[in-house]
Amino acid sequence: GDSVTQMEGPVTLSEEAFLTINCTYTATGYPSLFWYVQYPGEGLQLLLKATKADDKGSNKGFEATYRKETTSFHLEKGSVQVSDSAVYFCALSYNNNDMRFGAGTRLTVKP
Amino acid sequence: EAQVTQNPRYLITVTGKKLTVTCSQNMNHEYMSWYRQDPGLGLRQIYYSMNVEVTDKGDVPEGYKVSRKEKRNFPLILESPSPNQTSLYFCASSPRRGGSYEQYFGPGTRLTVT
Repeated sequence: GDSVTQMEGPVTLSEEAFLTINCTYTATGYPSLFWYVQYPGEGLQLLLKATKADDKGSNKGFEATYRKETTSFHLEKGSVQVSDSAVYFCALSYNNNDMRFGAGTRLTVKP
Repeated sequence: EAQVTQNPRYLITVTGKKLTVTCSQNMNHEYMSWYRQDPGLGLRQIYYSMNVEVTDKGDVPEGYKVSRKEKRNFPLILESPSPNQTSLYFCASSPRRGGSYEQYFGPGTRLTVT
């Protein structure tokens, strides 16, 4: 069945470090791919998305490129801030199917 | 402001005492869904609804009920809660099911069953 696999956390970085959170997917169709972010005590909110191969989603300095050949959608940011500390979820969705989420990766950024 | 609201935000109850968690959206979305979030397991879908009076089971429906009598509301009912239903619950809505549609999430309800 359809699934999303994220790198296990937690991830701890110093401020201004480079961030990569790996995400790979398995799907029988051609999904749209999403990254959601969950700040402490809040619900999930969309960070970025990409709807077809080679698309790049970007927002708030975060980027992810839809790689069909490697079935991946890795999240990157060049310089993280303390305020980026959160849980990040990779997800896929397509056709008339329900969204599938990865297990989430907790990021902590230290000053 | 476009939003999904849930109530209550926090709830502590005892085994077997029926409870309802309410969910409401003001975006005229057709699709609504309930998830539970547990450490290491991510979000798992409990039930979803594609429109009024149309509901279906997700991945973990046992012990839960839902109803969709109005488009904006999608309550989650636990008729006889048990400790293994202690979790963080999220309601979400979307214009349609699937495709490239973003889901909008409520703030969450933290439920503890003793």
